Amino acid sequence: EAGVTQFPSHSVIEKGQTVTLRCDPISGHDNLYWYRRVMGKEIKFLLHFVKESKQDESGMPNNRFLAERTGGTYSTLKVQPAELEDSGVYFCASSQVGLTYGYTFGSGTRLTVV
Amino acid sequence: DQQVKQNSPSLSVQEGRISILNCDYTNSMFDYFLWYKKYPAEGPTFLISISSIKDKNEDGRFTVFLNKSAKHLSLHIVPSQPGDSAVYFCAASETGANNLFFGTGTRLTVIP
Repeated sequence: EAGVTQFPSHSVIEKGQTVTLRCDPISGHDNLYWYRRVMGKEIKFLLHFVKESKQDESGMPNNRFLAERTGGTYSTLKVQPAELEDSGVYFCASSQVGLTYGYTFGSGTRLTVV
Repeated sequence: DQQVKQNSPSLSVQEGRISILNCDYTNSMFDYFLWYKKYPAEGPTFLISISSIKDKNEDGRFTVFLNKSAKHLSLHIVPSQPGDSAVYFCAASETGANNLFFGTGTRLTVIP
């Protein structure tokens, strides 16, 4: 079974530019999550999709962040315009039945805004 | 405001000895706890979990202990192996929620 795939693995952009991160969950996993880890800090929840619907987006920092999950398959997270404080590692995770066995995380996208 | 805290950023242990990683939480509504292991350039990998109805859960070399009154949990690794060297994250959730609250992680180094 293929794992959770994220790309790009790294992205360096200038402040004010737009970046789109993509996540392909494990096939059949209805639950998809985005998390972010800023350097040295905790991994923080951003949002949760169930299929194509946003179940919980309470962790989204502000309206510069837009997440979509078209057709309930892959998801994108767009940051527009990017600010310096958006730098960090963005993790995507998926699960079939919630938290019972934890999620499966992707390797993350390291975003650096300069 | 951090609800899950791992106060030790790093820990070094000799191979074969016990590693004990600690985690504290502040939210009394948390009733499900997980430990994840993370290698560089990889995502966190689920290791072991415990529900608040238990105070211990064991899986091979890994045991998690939960002290609800103290709002404290710990992960014991016995015996520690060099391949256990990684960053360990504690995470917590409450019933009905699907999001996790993570600590800042503890970097474990097992010295051969």
